[in-house]
Amino acid sequence: ELKVEQNPLFLSMQEGKNYTIYCNYSTTSDRLYWYRQDPGKSLESLFVLLSNGAVKQEGRLMASLDTKARLSTLHITAAVHDLSATYFCAVDNNNDMRFGAGTRLTVKP
Amino acid sequence: DTAVSQTPKYLVTQMGNDKSIKCEQNLGHDTMYWYKQDSKKFLKIMFSYNNKELIINETVPNRFSPKSPDKAHLNLHINSLELGDSAVYFCASSQDLYEQYFGPGTRLTVT
Repeated sequence: ELKVEQNPLFLSMQEGKNYTIYCNYSTTSDRLYWYRQDPGKSLESLFVLLSNGAVKQEGRLMASLDTKARLSTLHITAAVHDLSATYFCAVDNNNDMRFGAGTRLTVKP
Repeated sequence: DTAVSQTPKYLVTQMGNDKSIKCEQNLGHDTMYWYKQDSKKFLKIMFSYNNKELIINETVPNRFSPKSPDKAHLNLHINSLELGDSAVYFCASSQDLYEQYFGPGTRLTVT
């Protein structure tokens, strides 16, 4: 069974600092997604990573995928308060989509 | 225009009742999904439909049944509601392997 693990589950950061969220998964897949969810809101797509070595960047967020290590990272650069949210990774294995438990990020001034 | 819409946004009902949640997407996507998000924010896929054919059916009680009248709609019917069904239910759609677009969610409370 495909398992997806994120860590940390809770992350409190100071503004201006850098940090990385990790997403490990248990079976072979080359399709990984990152989503953001604000409290009480729906999920918003951030990145789609479809091949080994894929790297995508949007603003202060950068995501990468290593399919051999079954690992994706979401790197936050110079965090700002607006990035406070819950971040989910999701892995697709033959149309079976599994989500990680989410990382609740709080950015403090 | 809303890409993926769900109705109702809130649903409060008693145990044992039958209810439906509707979902519509105007993106022309060929795959639609239903997810359940529990109180701990854990997301679990319930169903997905591709071109009106069910392609995933997780270990979901058969009290839950998806119905897709056409490619743009995937409704969720729930029979004999139980307390444990209380959650937020999200509909989503996607095209091929690309990202999913989520609806606003339906918060179901069973009393």
